[in-house]
Amino acid sequence: EIVLTQSPATLSVSPGERATLSCRASQSVSSNLVWYQQKPGQAPRLLIYGASTRATGIPARFSGSGSGTEFTLTISSLQSEDYAVYYCHQCNNWPRTFGQGTKVEIK
Amino acid sequence: QVQLVQSGAEVKKPGTSVKVSCKASGYTFTSYDINWVRQATGQGLEWMGWMNPNTGTTGYAQNFQGRVAMTRDTSTSTTYMELSSLRSEDTAVYYCARESGFCSGGYCYKWFDPWGQGTLVTVSS
Repeated sequence: EIVLTQSPATLSVSPGERATLSCRASQSVSSNLVWYQQKPGQAPRLLIYGASTRATGIPARFSGSGSGTEFTLTISSLQSEDYAVYYCHQCNNWPRTFGQGTKVEIK
Repeated sequence: QVQLVQSGAEVKKPGTSVKVSCKASGYTFTSYDINWVRQATGQGLEWMGWMNPNTGTTGYAQNFQGRVAMTRDTSTSTTYMELSSLRSEDTAVYYCARESGFCSGGYCYKWFDPWGQGTLVTVSS
């Protein structure tokens, strides 16, 4: 099973600042890495697939990078609606696995 | 629009079973796999398994082997997830999600989208 480790667990960021979230895989997932955003009481929302492709309707301030075992999600200028929990997810191998999440909170 | 709509909240006693439904609309039901993911309160996402609605083929996470069964009804575009021998630790929100993707240059990229709204299952005596 591929283990995804996200860091940090919690990230405190002021509005307008940049947020950088990390996801490390225990073995290569090529570029088959996905990022989701989840707000309280809601289902996860697709942000990024293929490590770096924004899903339809996702603002350009969200960007993803990386391949193999190291991945990054960057939010260039945090807006109020971006405070949430972010999960990485690998769809390269079975079983599908998720990272434990990074909570982005207001500083 | 593409949508997954799940059944309502359930309260179950320990040792019993629960069956959650996930009705698809806005796309060809048999063309995409459906996955099930659960989330305990305040916790992360846990993948449970998948089903191919066309063939009925399933695959389950090791943690749920022997306790979970995923089925479908193609006449109503509905997938079902049944979890048996419930215990308090199974209290969680259960989500269904469509596995979407595309292939390019001999490599296939996959992701889960859309997700159902979630179904809260509470296991309590």
